[in-house]
Amino acid sequence: GENVEQHPSTLSVQEGDSAVIKCTYSDSASNYFPWYKQELGKRPQLIIDIRSNVGEKKDQRIAVTLNKTAKHFSLHITETQPEDSAVYFCAASYETSGSRLTFGEGTQLTVNP
Amino acid sequence: KAGVTQTPRYLIKTRGQQVTLSCSPISGHRSVSWYQQTPGQGLQFLFEYFSETQRNKGNFPGRFSGRQFSNSRSEMNVSTLELGDSALYLCASSLPGAIQETQYFGPGTRLLVL
Repeated sequence: GENVEQHPSTLSVQEGDSAVIKCTYSDSASNYFPWYKQELGKRPQLIIDIRSNVGEKKDQRIAVTLNKTAKHFSLHITETQPEDSAVYFCAASYETSGSRLTFGEGTQLTVNP
Repeated sequence: KAGVTQTPRYLIKTRGQQVTLSCSPISGHRSVSWYQQTPGQGLQFLFEYFSETQRNKGNFPGRFSGRQFSNSRSEMNVSTLELGDSALYLCASSLPGAIQETQYFGPGTRLLVL
């Protein structure tokens, strides 16, 4: 089955700096790669996603890049703010429905004011 | 639109008991997936239901089961509870066939097994 590895497990940055989280996946059939943000005690919330026919996608301060050849994808957050502090999860799915997500272990991002 | 809702939010059970959790998807969503979240194992896929049929299944023992009703609401059942079943159980709904088949998560049911 699919296996997703996520690095780093913890990331601390100063407000205004950029943050990068990287994930690798094992199954070349995976074609959908969402990123979720989970604040303490809350539900995971989708922040951005990308499909395998696209190499990069951006939404304001957040961007995701995908390298299908190397089987890795990355989340980039620019101009970080304290409210960006949370656990971020990457995931991959080979189902056309986008279900059956395989998640990475998560990255605890702390943005220091 | 109202988001995904789950009941109950918190539950305490003892070993050997069984438990049923409920999930109501976003109106119009027909797919419901269930995930288990623990500190040690992270987020793991349990199963997915679509049109009252189990469409996908993760690597969990048969003690974990689910079903979906005609209104797309879903329930999952765990029989013969073990201490290791203590976790946050999340369901997610999506609209298969939509341009963006995004999974939207509910707030979860936190289960504690004593």
